[in-house]
Amino acid sequence: EPEVTQTPSHQVTQMGQEVILRCVPISNHLYFYWYRQILGQKVEFLVSFYNNEISEKSEIFDDQFSVERPDGSNFTLKIRSTKLEDSAMYFCASSRTVYNEQFFGPGTRLTVL
Amino acid sequence: QQQVKQSPQSLIVQKGGISIINCAYENTAFDYFPWYQQFPGKGPALLIAIRPDVSEKKEGRFTISFNKSAKQFSLHIMDSQPGDSATYFCAPRGETSGSRLTFGEGTQLTVNP
Repeated sequence: EPEVTQTPSHQVTQMGQEVILRCVPISNHLYFYWYRQILGQKVEFLVSFYNNEISEKSEIFDDQFSVERPDGSNFTLKIRSTKLEDSAMYFCASSRTVYNEQFFGPGTRLTVL
Repeated sequence: QQQVKQSPQSLIVQKGGISIINCAYENTAFDYFPWYQQFPGKGPALLIAIRPDVSEKKEGRFTISFNKSAKQFSLHIMDSQPGDSATYFCAPRGETSGSRLTFGEGTQLTVNP
């Protein structure tokens, strides 16, 4: 069964460093998403991406965040200058259309020291 | 307008019992009401979903009940099994207003053998 994969499973970084979180969505899906979950809090939407453009973003997704589909299979989330409060589990998801089920990856745990 | 409140925060039931989790929302633009199930180390996975043109949907042991006037929907798990032990999230969405899922806080369900 096709699934969304994410790498790495755990990333530790120093405050102020740039990190890139990687995702491989399901191959025939056209819509891609990033969500995050700070420990003990709810899952929060960050951004959705379609046709090489951001289609929707939340107030959390400020200028330090960016997304890219650098090739036909990967979807990345870049955090330019990490802060302590960026420590969270980051989930990538994909869907075939905007109306279809979103399939989630297993997440990347980001720890900012 | 985006607030989603889920209860209870945690739930312990005996094998064979009924588990009931509730979700209340404020945004009247929501028109898709899913429940997601998450096991440790995995991303959320769609369990069952309902659209507002029906008041109930049943899939095996899982039932969603939807009350549009009260802006509430609930998940019922009949004959609960230890394998159902997981975290459950409601995550309504306004399909006509965007693709983001708005997650509740989550309910940690434990089913004792």
